[in-house]
Amino acid sequence: DGGITQSPKYLFRKEGQNVTLSCEQNLNHDAMYWYRQDPGQGLRLIYYSQIVNDFQKGDIAEGYSVSREKKESFPLTVTSAQKNPTAFYLCASGMAEKNSPLHFGNGTRLTVT
Amino acid sequence: AQSVAQPEDQVNVAEGNPLTVKCTYSVSGNPYLFWYVQYPNRGLQFLLKYITGDNLVKGSYGFEAEFNKSQTSFHLKKPSALVSDSALYFCAVRTEHASGGSYIPTFGRGTSLIVHP
Repeated sequence: DGGITQSPKYLFRKEGQNVTLSCEQNLNHDAMYWYRQDPGQGLRLIYYSQIVNDFQKGDIAEGYSVSREKKESFPLTVTSAQKNPTAFYLCASGMAEKNSPLHFGNGTRLTVT
Repeated sequence: AQSVAQPEDQVNVAEGNPLTVKCTYSVSGNPYLFWYVQYPNRGLQFLLKYITGDNLVKGSYGFEAEFNKSQTSFHLKKPSALVSDSALYFCAVRTEHASGGSYIPTFGRGTSLIVHP
């Protein structure tokens, strides 16, 4: 089955620790995205990548970092510089065409205490 | 700025009644509009997208959306709601991102649809 896999589903960390969220896709999509979801705020774009070894900051990139060493993988690191890291994180992939929808993973819920 | 707005945080409807979830957009050029649905603790699932020239677009699970250029709206509709339709619905527009060149999906804040038995 083709799709996007995010792991882990739930993640707990202590404040001050960096943490990496995994995102893998086997849909052969060029573009991958990370969004953060908070109640009542919709989805906010953190980073996106249109091609291997290249990525761009989204609207709320501060405190986050990414890499795109393989087409299939787009891991997100939440660093200790992120002020409010507790959230639901969604990874998505898609084609670059303007009328193409995104395919989403099932998310990682990160809790930092 | 290009954006999409969902004016209602929550929509309540009785099972069997028609439902409408509203979305308005603000873009320059042609709009690339989408609807997604999210069930609790899951990712978003694609429902339908606007196709240029079609004012009524049909999608998954009996949903459809009505495009109105003069009102810059793309409302989601279903003739007869089911309890299982209860979920969070997002309207999205694909727009050119500030970092340049790429058409990135921008999402509304979401509307919670509650269908009562």
